[in-house]
Amino acid sequence: QKEVEQDPGPLSVPEGAIVSLNCTYSNSAFQYFMWYRQYSRKGPELLMYTYSSGNKEDGRFTAQVDKSSKYISLFIRDSQPSDSATYLCAMSAANILTGGGNKLTFGTGTQLKVEL
Amino acid sequence: NAGVTQTPKFRVLKTGQSMTLLCAQDMNHEYMYWYRQDPGMGLRLIHYSVGEGTTAKGEVPDGYNVSRLKKQNFLLGLESAAPSQTSVYFCASSLDSSTDTQYFGPGTRLTVL
Repeated sequence: QKEVEQDPGPLSVPEGAIVSLNCTYSNSAFQYFMWYRQYSRKGPELLMYTYSSGNKEDGRFTAQVDKSSKYISLFIRDSQPSDSATYLCAMSAANILTGGGNKLTFGTGTQLKVEL
Repeated sequence: NAGVTQTPKFRVLKTGQSMTLLCAQDMNHEYMYWYRQDPGMGLRLIHYSVGEGTTAKGEVPDGYNVSRLKKQNFLLGLESAAPSQTSVYFCASSLDSSTDTQYFGPGTRLTVL
């Protein structure tokens, strides 16, 4: 079983829809939770960053973390064609790497397509 | 700032050939990482560095070597390329261990025939 599970999709929605992307994880040591967006043939870029449980909102994006259920979500409101990308969840425990640094464990990504 | 840059963008190798991938960052970050991304596998950490002159193994280090002679550069070497190393390679950097934000480069697409 993978430490982080993410539905690969593809997920296709009409423009303006609310999108819900999710990841589950098994390692209770994870404290830092991130969502990266990756456009085709580009590197991942950080979209949202959350520490521990709770919600965080940034414009049309809301990240939720439920540590009791080991479940994180990313909501996109009023989705746009420019949101079409692969969304990767990532998470880490504090200073898990020998000598410091942050080992991120990534989900496999969910491909999202927002259609006109 | 250019952020994180990678050279080359594309490369085709024959089995047994060697090559070096170059990563450069201009953000004065201490930590640098090399990942590979394969379909259905997500991003997997190959090697990482927590500062100039230091390197360490990640999740899938076999067949790769790295060097961090200068703070801004992190090199990934393939000594004897194998078809299993066909992948997209991403370099990333982060400021320090208290910050989990990693900034990624645009990637290098490597095909080993």
